Amino acid sequence: ETGVTQTPRHLVMGMTNKKSLKCEQHLGHNAMYWYKQSAKKPLELMFVYSLEERVENNSVPSRFSPECPNSSHLFLHLHTLQPEDSALYLCASSQDSRGNTEAFFGQGTRLTVV
Amino acid sequence: QQQVKQSPQSLIVQKGGISIINCAYENTAFDYFPWYQQFPGKGPALLIAIRPDVSEKKEGRFTISFNKSAKQFSLHIMDSQPGDSATYFCAASRGSSASKIIFGSGTRLSIRP
Repeated sequence: ETGVTQTPRHLVMGMTNKKSLKCEQHLGHNAMYWYKQSAKKPLELMFVYSLEERVENNSVPSRFSPECPNSSHLFLHLHTLQPEDSALYLCASSQDSRGNTEAFFGQGTRLTVV
Repeated sequence: QQQVKQSPQSLIVQKGGISIINCAYENTAFDYFPWYQQFPGKGPALLIAIRPDVSEKKEGRFTISFNKSAKQFSLHIMDSQPGDSATYFCAASRGSSASKIIFGSGTRLSIRP
């Protein structure tokens, strides 16, 4: 275990549903990240939070809405998704978003949009 | 240009053989080159990383070879074992900040017994 826990592990949702992905880290890190992993594509950074403040938003559609209530928890709220949004969504954390530190990844949430 | 190109997309190696995965980058400002290993159902985990001031780094059976002039780097897995079967991602960044890492598209490695 890396110390980064994601729930649920699998999620199937319709295009009109609203769901949330949860990420929790017990490493004392102060930076957290959402990545999207699609088949045969590089990992895509979606959002970066440092000290609970969003510091990066990589042109992600508004149907993805992140929330970071504290340095240990990160959510990704989903609504009106499209089938092409089906992917593995990975959460990661690091000690600092700018410093010389390794990112630790969770196991991911496999999302299927039907 | 921020892209990191990785090849091959998939690789099959006999047990005991050498697995070689190659990556090329374009941005000469990159100064940190990690490799991540991802098993099915798991997130990526840092395997080994190198900075451009050295041409090679070795950790156990894993070696990174770095060619700064060619802007290429590769991962060599010696004495490949079935437990090495996983997807491997190369990456590059300015500094090791996780928010600045650009990942390659991945190589699915299968080691045949």
